[in-house]
Amino acid sequence: ETGVTQSPTHLIKTRGQQVTLRCSSQSGHNTVSWYQQALGQGPQFIFQYYREEENGRGNFPPRFSGLQFPNYSSELNVNALELDDSALYLCASSPAGDRGGEQYFGPGTRLTVT
Amino acid sequence: AQTVTQSQPEMSVQEAETVTLSCTYDTSENNYYLFWYKQPPSRQMILVIRQEAYKQQNATENRFSVNFQKAAKSFSLKISDSQLGDTAMYFCAFMVNTNAGKSTFGDGTTLTVKP
Repeated sequence: ETGVTQSPTHLIKTRGQQVTLRCSSQSGHNTVSWYQQALGQGPQFIFQYYREEENGRGNFPPRFSGLQFPNYSSELNVNALELDDSALYLCASSPAGDRGGEQYFGPGTRLTVT
Repeated sequence: AQTVTQSQPEMSVQEAETVTLSCTYDTSENNYYLFWYKQPPSRQMILVIRQEAYKQQNATENRFSVNFQKAAKSFSLKISDSQLGDTAMYFCAFMVNTNAGKSTFGDGTTLTVKP
């Protein structure tokens, strides 16, 4: 069984640019959630995708957007990058149905905005 | 809105000893899950233990156990027989059971196990 994978591992972008981060969910999981983890802080919920539709959003502006594909993989897009967007971005997948809140996290993408 | 507070930014413990990490939360919900996650320096977040709010019995997983006090909204993690591999950041997290996949995290406790 393949776990959650994310790409790229590290990324350096310039303020104002756009970035796309990718996530492959664990086999059999149809729900993907994205989190932003600033240095020294806990992860903050960005949004969740279920069956290719956004299913809940945290306190993040519209320049944070996403997609989920038929194979349940997902993308996080951030436009007009700001310095404060520098963080570790975590993807987590969940199995279909309520299985006790199980979430499986990927290793994350470290984004640095200069 | 839910909040999760971890009041101990850093803790240390000697190998083989026991340590307890604290967590409090605030919510008006009645049905939810609580979690402790471990994030080693390699940064992959790993689930340590999970508690369902409707269960009065405290969850245990090998050397890890929790003290869940629902009325006090407290959820502490006890690590027994600490091992060097337990060195990591530990996060307490909360999830309403109708919002699967949307967790609220505390800011973490950095635990160092000393040889």
